[in-house]
Amino acid sequence: DSGVTQTPKHLITATGQRVTLRCSPRSGDLSVYWYQQSLDQGLQFLIQYYNGEERAKGNILERFSAQQFPDLHSELNLSSLELGDSALYFCASSVAVRTSGANVLTFGAGSRLTVL
Amino acid sequence: GEDVEQSLFLSVREGDSSVINCTYTDSSSTYLYWYKQEPGAGLQLLTYIFSNMDMKQDQRLTVLLNKKDKHLSLRIADTQTGDSAIYFCAETGKGYSGGGADGLTFGKGTHLIIQP
Repeated sequence: DSGVTQTPKHLITATGQRVTLRCSPRSGDLSVYWYQQSLDQGLQFLIQYYNGEERAKGNILERFSAQQFPDLHSELNLSSLELGDSALYFCASSVAVRTSGANVLTFGAGSRLTVL
Repeated sequence: GEDVEQSLFLSVREGDSSVINCTYTDSSSTYLYWYKQEPGAGLQLLTYIFSNMDMKQDQRLTVLLNKKDKHLSLRIADTQTGDSAIYFCAETGKGYSGGGADGLTFGKGTHLIIQP
């Protein structure tokens, strides 16, 4: 158990629907990252939050949004789902922001989304 | 081209050494990382190396860094069936919009296949 908890583990839904993925970071970690893993694109960075604020944005579609709550858990909202959104969605957390040291990300087990 | 490049597959015999290679593009990356993903699981940090080092050894793992060629390798000695997984190379994330990324940019991963 990495200490990063993601729910649900599996989710099957239809095109056009909306889903919410949830992540609880490791205790003491302030930064949360969302990544999408698909067979053809590999592991793509979506978005990062630090202590409740958006810190960095990657290849996140406008149909997707995220937030980090005061208790530091985070949610990734995916709307108007398309077949191509089927993927593994990973959440990772780290202690803080990048400093002069290594920024070690701890990953959850992922949420597998299937859009039919 | 891709930010971080890796071969997609590597097949080795049990007991042999495995060498997984990676090239990266950002010469300012201060740390480079290797992560392992077992089937159905999230990514797990194996090791990382500071950019001013040439080599780092940790039990069966040896990381070699050629900063001039931006080439990173992971050697696994005495490869066992339990080493069968996807291995990801990662560099410090680029500066995305929103103030910079503290996350990591990953390669697409190398599937390590162990032959008996």
